[in-house]
Amino acid sequence: EAGVTQFPSHSVIEKGQTVTLRCDPISGHDNLYWYRRVMGKEIKFLLHFVKESKQDESGMPNNRFLAERTGGTYSTLKVQPAELEDSGVYFCASSQAQGVTTGELFFGEGSRLTVL
Amino acid sequence: DAKTTQPTSMDCAEGRAANLPCNHSTISGNEYVYWYRQIHSQGPQYIIHGLKNNETNEMASLIITEDRKSSTLILPHATLRDTAVYYCIVRTWGGSNYKLTFGKGTLLTVNP
Repeated sequence: EAGVTQFPSHSVIEKGQTVTLRCDPISGHDNLYWYRRVMGKEIKFLLHFVKESKQDESGMPNNRFLAERTGGTYSTLKVQPAELEDSGVYFCASSQAQGVTTGELFFGEGSRLTVL
Repeated sequence: DAKTTQPTSMDCAEGRAANLPCNHSTISGNEYVYWYRQIHSQGPQYIIHGLKNNETNEMASLIITEDRKSSTLILPHATLRDTAVYYCIVRTWGGSNYKLTFGKGTLLTVNP
């Protein structure tokens, strides 16, 4: 069974440009999450989808970040325009439907973003 | 979610048991203790979780004190591949809150 996959693994862009990160969750997982670790900081929650709906987006830093999950399958996280402080590793995770899960989140390998 | 306190780093000899402590003195009755780890350049990986009983799986054992104010993650026979940052996380399970709050964790270094 394929795990959570993220693309690209590494992206280098200039300040002001746009980047779109993609996450494919484990098949059948309704819950999808985005987390990130910026330089020297702890891993922080960004948002949580249940199918195509945003359940919790309290961790999104500002309106330069837009997450979508059309059709409830894969998700994208767009940063526009990117700033230097956006550099870091963006992790996607997925989990089974609420009520039938162990509470385990399955994480992808992450997408490293470098903004120059 | 309750906060957790972990040592910054620990060392362990290969083949020996690694015992990683975690304090969570403000844990409430409906909060579970979760352990995740992050091996360098990989995503976090779930290890184990528990409420009040000790738990064991193929990766580790989790010992929770009777008052639930602290716990210990035990890797029974540490290998070099267990070198990672280990995170102790306390959160409620169920409802709409599936957010994990990562702290700084404990860097476990397994030495040959």
